[in-house]
Amino acid sequence: AQKITQTQPGMFVQEKEAVTLDCTYDTSDQSYGLFWYKQPSSGEMIFLIYQGSYDEQNATEGRYSLNFQKARKSANLVISASQLGDSAMYFCAMRGGNQFYFGTGTSLTVIP
Amino acid sequence: NAGVTQTPKFRILKIGQSMTLQCTQDMNHNYMYWYRQDPGMGLKLIYYSVGAGITDKGEVPNGYNVSRSTTEDFPLRLELAAPSQTSVYFCASRHRHEQYFGPGTRLTVT
Repeated sequence: AQKITQTQPGMFVQEKEAVTLDCTYDTSDQSYGLFWYKQPSSGEMIFLIYQGSYDEQNATEGRYSLNFQKARKSANLVISASQLGDSAMYFCAMRGGNQFYFGTGTSLTVIP
Repeated sequence: NAGVTQTPKFRILKIGQSMTLQCTQDMNHNYMYWYRQDPGMGLKLIYYSVGAGITDKGEVPNGYNVSRSTTEDFPLRLELAAPSQTSVYFCASRHRHEQYFGPGTRLTVT
C-alpha cells in the first residue's frame, strides 16, 4: 500500500532561517514521484517541487530543495531563508502509477 | 488562459439531495483528478481520468460518480448526499509531473 507520513503537525521558524519539513513514504513501486505542495490560508494548492525516484540529484527550485534519501524512503523539504509569506500548510505527496497520495500536512509559522 | 475552474465555490446540501460539481480546464491536459480535503487533513483521491472516455476509482470513490465526455470537462456527481461528504473538493489537471489545481468547492451536507 502507498502511504505518506508527515510527523510534524506544526513547526515554527525565525524569519531568514532555514527549516526542514519531514516526509517519509512507503511504496513497493520502483518508479514513483515525490512532490511538495503549499496551501496558504486562502486555500489554493501550489506546486513547489518534484523529485523522480530515478533522479540521482536532489531537486531544487529557488529557495526550496528536496532532500531525497531513497534507502530511508524520505523526501524532506528544505526551505532556506524563510519569509513571512512562507507561513502555510505544506503537504508531501507521492505519485504511484496515475494516482496521488498525500500526507496530513505540516503547518509552518514564520516568526518575524 | 483560465487554468482549472470549479463551480460552485460554496454549496449547502440537505441529506439525500444530489448535485454535480463542475470542473473545466483549458490547457488540453489529458489527466484530471478529483480530491476531497477534510478539515486538518491532506487530500484524498476520489476519481481520476487519463483521457476523454476513461475514468478510474481513487482511494475514496464511494458515494461519487464521474464522467469525462470531453478533454475539458470532468464533473463529479454526488448522489444521496451524506454528512460524511462535507468537505472541500479540489479538481486538478496534470501535465507531466505538475498538477494544476482549481480553487476548490466547499460543500456542507446537513
